[in-house]
Amino acid sequence: AQSVTQLDSHVSVSEGTPVLLRCNYSSSYSPSLFWYVQHPNKGLQLLLKYTSAATLVKGINGFEAEFKKSETSFHLTKPSAHMSDAAEYFCVVSVSGGYQKVTFGTGTKLQVIP
Amino acid sequence: EPEVTQTPSHQVTQMGQEVILRCVPISNHLYFYWYRQILGQKVEFLVSFYNNEISEKSEIFDDQFSVERPDGSNFTLKIRSTKLEDSAMYFCASSRAEDTQYFGPGTRLTVL
Repeated sequence: AQSVTQLDSHVSVSEGTPVLLRCNYSSSYSPSLFWYVQHPNKGLQLLLKYTSAATLVKGINGFEAEFKKSETSFHLTKPSAHMSDAAEYFCVVSVSGGYQKVTFGTGTKLQVIP
Repeated sequence: EPEVTQTPSHQVTQMGQEVILRCVPISNHLYFYWYRQILGQKVEFLVSFYNNEISEKSEIFDDQFSVERPDGSNFTLKIRSTKLEDSAMYFCASSRAEDTQYFGPGTRLTVL
């Protein structure tokens, strides 16, 4: 069984300040972890992924995430928020099993204040 | 860069009608998926499809749903008799193997 918990449903930051979106997971097996972003009325875009290589993963648009097995966390960070970062962010855990079983978190809405 | 496409972007239908949502996965991908997202709720897995058959389906995917790969490029989700609660955004995804899933832009289904 696998699950993912996004600890904040809404996060509000000022433009130019750091972003931290929190995600904790549980999985019976070695998981792959992903962050997707969804802008209003748009589809899901892959930001970054962890698949058992380097624990610090760099993604698009300046985002990165660190896999911490001891804390079962995969928090998403960005040093400096931009207005265009305002969107909903989903943490996703998957376990391979002939196909890839994927479980989504409930999402975190990021608001960026000018 | 190749991407998953979905048509239509928005579908409005009357309760009880059949709808077919269409997806064109990335061309060298072998695994296909449908998800839905009811407004304000999280993305939920519906079904996965590989080698022309369903690999797994969730409890949401009941007898009113079916999937098909009618030719070498399309992957469809059919809802036989739509209900109000089927109103949602439906996402198609594909993956090459047991790795990253790439999502389409979604079809917003509105059942009246």
